[in-house]
Amino acid sequence: SQTIHQWPATLVQPVGSPLSLECTVEGTSNPNLYWYRQAAGRGLQLLFYSVGIGQISSEVPQNLSASRPQDRQFILSSKKLLLSDSGFYLCAWSMGTYGYTFGSGTRLTVV
Amino acid sequence: TQLLEQSPQFLSIQEGENLTVYCNSSSVFSSLQWYRQEPGEGPVLLVTVVTGGEVKKLKRLTFQFGDARKDSSLHITAAQPGDTGLYLCAGSPGTSYDKVIFGPGTSLSVIP
Repeated sequence: SQTIHQWPATLVQPVGSPLSLECTVEGTSNPNLYWYRQAAGRGLQLLFYSVGIGQISSEVPQNLSASRPQDRQFILSSKKLLLSDSGFYLCAWSMGTYGYTFGSGTRLTVV
Repeated sequence: TQLLEQSPQFLSIQEGENLTVYCNSSSVFSSLQWYRQEPGEGPVLLVTVVTGGEVKKLKRLTFQFGDARKDSSLHITAAQPGDTGLYLCAGSPGTSYDKVIFGPGTSLSVIP
């Protein structure tokens, strides 16, 4: 069966520090991968999506970047965090119209 | 820009009551999904509807896709505390199956 792993679960980082969040998928090949950010208790904002290795599309101009070095690995990064980068980050994968499978999320607090 | 609206934004009910939440748009979607999310967790897919007028049932939950594929509803019968959570609808635009648009969610609290 397919599973998605996302880590870390929580992270507290100072302003100006770098960021690296990792997401890996098991049990499937060539998935579409996504990074979302969610404001407290509300809807999801799509940040990046990828349909293959090295293929990244950015939805929102921001202080973040994404990379897909392997088929089932998706990384969200920042060189210098801002206070406004705080939030709940979710990785997800899909294989078409059947919906998304989400990871358990990373709560990022920038202090 | 395609948008999804959800109503109500917040809902607090007693255990055993029935409720309906709505998801609306002015745009047509090729499919629509409903998710439930608990605090600190990722959303979990409940159902995907793809045909206008389609009705799907998942135990006490009934999902309906509007005939014009612009709206959807979720009805819960005899709500239980375990139904508490954030309910998100998400629509796939008419020309792409790979990227969905999420609504802002309905936060449901079922009081024992």
